[in-house]
Amino acid sequence: QLQLQESGPGLVKPSETLSLTCTVSGGSISSNSYYWGWVRQPPGKGLEWIGNIFYRGSTYYNPSLNSRVTISVDTSKNQFSLKLSSVTAADTAVYYCATISVAGRSFDYWGQGTLVTVSS
Amino acid sequence: QTVVTQEPSLTVSPGGTVTLTCASSTGAVTSGYYPNWFQQKPGQAPRALIFSTNNKYSWTPARFSGSLLGGKAALTLSGVQPEDEAEYYCLLYHGGAHWVFGGGTKLTVL
Repeated sequence: QLQLQESGPGLVKPSETLSLTCTVSGGSISSNSYYWGWVRQPPGKGLEWIGNIFYRGSTYYNPSLNSRVTISVDTSKNQFSLKLSSVTAADTAVYYCATISVAGRSFDYWGQGTLVTVSS
Repeated sequence: QTVVTQEPSLTVSPGGTVTLTCASSTGAVTSGYYPNWFQQKPGQAPRALIFSTNNKYSWTPARFSGSLLGGKAALTLSGVQPEDEAEYYCLLYHGGAHWVFGGGTKLTVL
């Protein structure tokens, strides 16, 4: 069973870039069976899809975040990463990484999430 | 911008049945939207319950079922248990590998 773990700074200053990494265990990130994605949840609010990546590099982003988001894959480390630039307080959220099954179009496995606070 | 709408809150008695729905501003929800349903309890990550309209995971309790109902995706809980009290989110595929979450339904078991 795939397991995912988010890591990265818990505090980011306004206007800077948020950077998170998701480490995958129990399977290969180079699998043809999965996309790798990010979802966030502001405190007390709902879930928001950020974007997905396929291990070969194809990326798909939420149009509302498209200009600020970059998702990348490091197959040598079995990790994928999220960068969100020019952050504001509105980007304060719990960030989750997740697997998206290509066949089932399903978000099967999730990391535990990591809280990122944007504050000076 | 696509909006996915769920009931903000619902209340059900233990042992009862409740249906949560999920609508898209783009029109009737079909199987091509690959509806997913998630359960989230306070302080926890979302847990996948249903995918592709009505498919369950090995860990999905039998009392949960997914369907299409009146142009919406639906999640039905039959024989509700106290531990089913949680927030439930639907997720719809809108093409081009783009996904949109619903706003969530807070289910109270009372």
